[in-house]
Amino acid sequence: SQQGEEDPQALSIQEGENATMNCSYKTSINNLQWYRQNSGRGLVHLILIRSNEREKHSGRLRVTLDTSKKSSSLLITASRAADTASYFCATDKGGANNLFFGTGTRLTVIP
Amino acid sequence: ETGVTQSPTHLIKTRGQQVTLRCSSQSGHNTVSWYQQALGQGPQFIFQYYREEENGRGNFPPRFSGLQFPNYSSELNVNALELDDSALYLCASSLAQRVELFFGEGSRLTVL
Repeated sequence: SQQGEEDPQALSIQEGENATMNCSYKTSINNLQWYRQNSGRGLVHLILIRSNEREKHSGRLRVTLDTSKKSSSLLITASRAADTASYFCATDKGGANNLFFGTGTRLTVIP
Repeated sequence: ETGVTQSPTHLIKTRGQQVTLRCSSQSGHNTVSWYQQALGQGPQFIFQYYREEENGRGNFPPRFSGLQFPNYSSELNVNALELDDSALYLCASSLAQRVELFFGEGSRLTVL
């Protein structure tokens, strides 16, 4: 079963707008990561946030983590057509050596 | 630096057959994980190998098996293929003690 659930399932925005995706998970974690996947291809690691962190930035990406609500959000600012992809959150179950992925948010950025 | 490479990229099998998928890990990475991604779903953990030993397994039956070789490359074997095994199989490598995964482009398996 999936550990995380992203919402919305699909998001369509105009180029230049911001995109926000949310992730909820069920059990305690050490870290939460976000990955990106272009259609039918491999996943690319975007950013990792540790359980004792609340916010992290990387370029146009901003990730927040609320462990009390077991939720995270990924904000992509000033979106570009090239950001069109599926975005997944992934959690480790408190020290386990495998990642649990959500079902993903499919982002479409319209030029 | 060489990334993760997988082969074959696409293959078609029939029910009951066996398949072997191959993965070369990123240079310097000693841990390999395999994931199954059904259409429209997130990747599901199959198992992980570290120093040629299985180091964790997800909820997959024994007909899913694997190997890791001394050069850290890996194989995923699936016996007695079923229609539901149709999926994208992703290999990911990492350094031990690091949780960030580096994925290959996947092998797309279709079972008819």
